[in-house]
Amino acid sequence: DAMVIQNPRYQVTQFGKPVTLSCSQTLNHNVMYWYQQKSSQAPKLLFHYYDKDFNNEADTPDNFQSRRPNTSFCFLDIRSPGLGDAAMYLCATSRDNGDTEAFFGQGTRLTVV
Amino acid sequence: QQQVKQSPQSLIVQKGGISIINCAYENTAFDYFPWYQQFPGKGPALLIAIRPDVSEKKEGRFTISFNKSAKQFSLHIMDSQPGDSATYFCAAVSGGSNYKLTFGKGTLLTVNP
Repeated sequence: DAMVIQNPRYQVTQFGKPVTLSCSQTLNHNVMYWYQQKSSQAPKLLFHYYDKDFNNEADTPDNFQSRRPNTSFCFLDIRSPGLGDAAMYLCATSRDNGDTEAFFGQGTRLTVV
Repeated sequence: QQQVKQSPQSLIVQKGGISIINCAYENTAFDYFPWYQQFPGKGPALLIAIRPDVSEKKEGRFTISFNKSAKQFSLHIMDSQPGDSATYFCAAVSGGSNYKLTFGKGTLLTVNP
């Protein structure tokens, strides 16, 4: 059974049109992460939540925002998508900070037209 | 600054052969080193992980070798199978309150039948 679920699997959006990607988890993990993965590249951490505490990476553009209304759900908002934002967006969770396994969802493939 | 360097970028191995992927890191604060396996269209999944107080860890056909003084670690896949064909990412984590996976750039492994 899927433990980290991302919706939709594929998203096409217009240049400059706001888009929201969603992630839900059934693991009751404290930490949720959003990664951006471009073709043939490593996943790049955008930000993460430890419970309700939001931690933004220094090089994450302001165009990217996130919300975590409760333990189970986390959203990635891209306010004005550009062509360079086309990528796979991966949500992940971990039980706690430390050397615990991170569980990834299947990702949302975002296309910007 | 790339904190985890991974090589080779791609690797082709015959069925039954040994696949070897190497990684090197710079940050001595890293204290947990997982390897993730990613199939096309899927999120990464934890394959095997090691802490620096151990020089080797084996799980089935997969072995991590760790050289703390050289700040290098490698993944060995014995008896490689076509089903092992995937992208492999090494990663590093520094402990404490801010769990973040720093990924290498990935190795695309192809195992020919």
